[in-house]
Amino acid sequence: DAKTTQPTSMDCAEGRAANLPCNHSTISGNEYVYWYRQIHSQGPQYIIHGLKNNETNEMASLIITEDRKSSTLILPHATLRDTAVYYCIVFRGGSNYKLTFGKGTLLTVNP
Amino acid sequence: DAGVIQSPRHEVTEMGQEVTLRCKPISGHDYLFWYRQTMMRGLELLIYFNNNVPIDDSGMPEDRFSAKMPNASFSTLKIQPSEPRDSAVYFCASSGLVSNEQFFGPGTRLTVL
Repeated sequence: DAKTTQPTSMDCAEGRAANLPCNHSTISGNEYVYWYRQIHSQGPQYIIHGLKNNETNEMASLIITEDRKSSTLILPHATLRDTAVYYCIVFRGGSNYKLTFGKGTLLTVNP
Repeated sequence: DAGVIQSPRHEVTEMGQEVTLRCKPISGHDYLFWYRQTMMRGLELLIYFNNNVPIDDSGMPEDRFSAKMPNASFSTLKIQPSEPRDSAVYFCASSGLVSNEQFFGPGTRLTVL
């Protein structure tokens, strides 16, 4: 599976949009982009995933560039409870169902 | 649904003792995963099952670790004998379909003295 690069940490003001970038320049055509987050001392939580098109759900939006080499997770109105480590994962699925978690981005939402 | 259930939540044991961690996946999920998380190595996949059959155990660190899934509603991860370097948080996760989201349990924090 393709490797991903994320900033180590980011800050965001409460109520503002949080935009978390991820580079995956070696992504293949059949690989998905997944985002998970891990709030301190809890298990990781699925947020959203996409292949080519932008995706939106009740938690976030995922913007994937046309060349698919990078993506951005958007939390439209960040709250203090969104403080967590956010993981961007490229995943093929099929016969190999391994999710490889990198170091992620520590997002700190400040009051 | 109660989500993925893990027990115990905390385990403290002495080096050389056997440790058994337990997991109950979400009902109806076909995939079950065991992960380990440490500060040094991050979150690592140890093994995963599909329909109770181990599919990939390449992440299991050594022979001291073993995992079983005797039925669709129960799995165990056993460490025998345990060592201090096994201290970590162990997560169990389950998933309904390939390429679908994984639901993680609350984890078991293991401390081996």
